[in-house]
Amino acid sequence: SQQGEEDPQALSIQEGENATMNCSYKTSINNLQWYRQNSGRGLVHLILIRSNEREKHSGRLRVTLDTSKKSSSLLITASRAADTASYFCAPRGMNRDDKIIFGKGTRLHILP
Amino acid sequence: NAGVTQTPKFQVLKTGQSMTLQCAQDMNHNSMYWYRQDPGMGLRLIYYSASEGTTDKGEVPNGYNVSRLNKREFSLRLESAAPSQTSVYFCASRDRAGNTEAFFGQGTRLTVV
Repeated sequence: SQQGEEDPQALSIQEGENATMNCSYKTSINNLQWYRQNSGRGLVHLILIRSNEREKHSGRLRVTLDTSKKSSSLLITASRAADTASYFCAPRGMNRDDKIIFGKGTRLHILP
Repeated sequence: NAGVTQTPKFQVLKTGQSMTLQCAQDMNHNSMYWYRQDPGMGLRLIYYSASEGTTDKGEVPNGYNVSRLNKREFSLRLESAAPSQTSVYFCASRDRAGNTEAFFGQGTRLTVV
């Protein structure tokens, strides 16, 4: 297992704008997952990108993965108030360890 | 559609009291996890279990014990609660196969006074 580090720690944007947040990690991965947490509730899985994929889309979400830079980005297009949440990445390492370690996340606030 | 169920949802304990947080999943997952989340912070892994009968320490195991009672259930025990253990506790599970997502419970809000 390994821990991802999200950046920025906090982000405020106007409704309708795009939001981009980044995740960096340290060693080779099998896949990387992004999760959302609304106001103290349990995390909800958003999207998984495998190590052999460079980009993946799901609705208004676009995730990219650059294994050479050991980084991923999550883009939310046309943001809505309901996107206000914390976002976490979870890189899955190549070893057999099944730990899931989270970073501190990016707190996204959508302004009306 | 139960998914991951945690009980209780809220609990207030006095310092020194003990209690067990319960977690059950109905998705036949191999791996289960316990996390704590303090205000404004991310989730920190307390313990996890990769399969029935096995448990391993996470990032912050001190002051906690766990039991993987069977494939469905994974409990977290505080033997002697301390105010520093005031937190929100989340349980999660996932299938151990490679490219799978984790499912989370709704959390237990624990206050130790």
